[in-house]
Amino acid sequence: GAGVSQTPSNKVTEKGKYVELRCDPISGHTALYWYRQSLGQGPEFLIYFQGTGAADDSGLPNDRFFAVRPEGSVSTLKIQRTERGDSAVYLCASSPTSGIGYTQYFGPGTRLTVL
Amino acid sequence: AQKITQTQPGMFVQEKEAVTLDCTYDTSDQSYGLFWYKQPSSGEMIFLIYQGSYDEQNATEGRYSLNFQKARKSANLVISASQLGDSAMYFCAMRVPDSNYQLIWGAGTKLIIKP
Repeated sequence: GAGVSQTPSNKVTEKGKYVELRCDPISGHTALYWYRQSLGQGPEFLIYFQGTGAADDSGLPNDRFFAVRPEGSVSTLKIQRTERGDSAVYLCASSPTSGIGYTQYFGPGTRLTVL
Repeated sequence: AQKITQTQPGMFVQEKEAVTLDCTYDTSDQSYGLFWYKQPSSGEMIFLIYQGSYDEQNATEGRYSLNFQKARKSANLVISASQLGDSAMYFCAMRVPDSNYQLIWGAGTKLIIKP
């Protein structure tokens, strides 16, 4: 079956602009996670959805970052007034549900570059 | 505090040799899951193997095995008969209920297989 997809694969924007990053999880997966990965580092948790609601948004760095998942499937990560420090690869993952043994499957990521 | 430590920033291994990538973890939870992911230069995070804290036997998946030593809090990845295609970043990650099942990541080990 289809894996996790993310669009766009690359996004170049100017400082101060607004961007949206999209994640389409594996069909039927209720848990969805967003992570951010800077060069040479492990991923950093941003936000977790169980169904439509954000169950944990404690990883969002500030109020410029927001994410939605209105129908419990596709999710959009929104970044307002982008800064150069937002440049990173944004990874989305989904799993059948939350729980210790449920593997998170990752999409290919969106590489965001803020000039 | 929940933490994953990978002490080997980089490793060079001769093709066809076995390689062990180190991972130690710290958690106060009794129930947790340990994961290894591979990230090639293409950027996608690929799930390799999973070990649950209550699993009595070490996990194996093809050429991958996880050397789980609970008392020492270590979960080393062993790759047998390494291949050139194994060259990649390898991340150890932990999932605990106390952190809403997000993955907590190590810094990664860059593995290079020499022909």
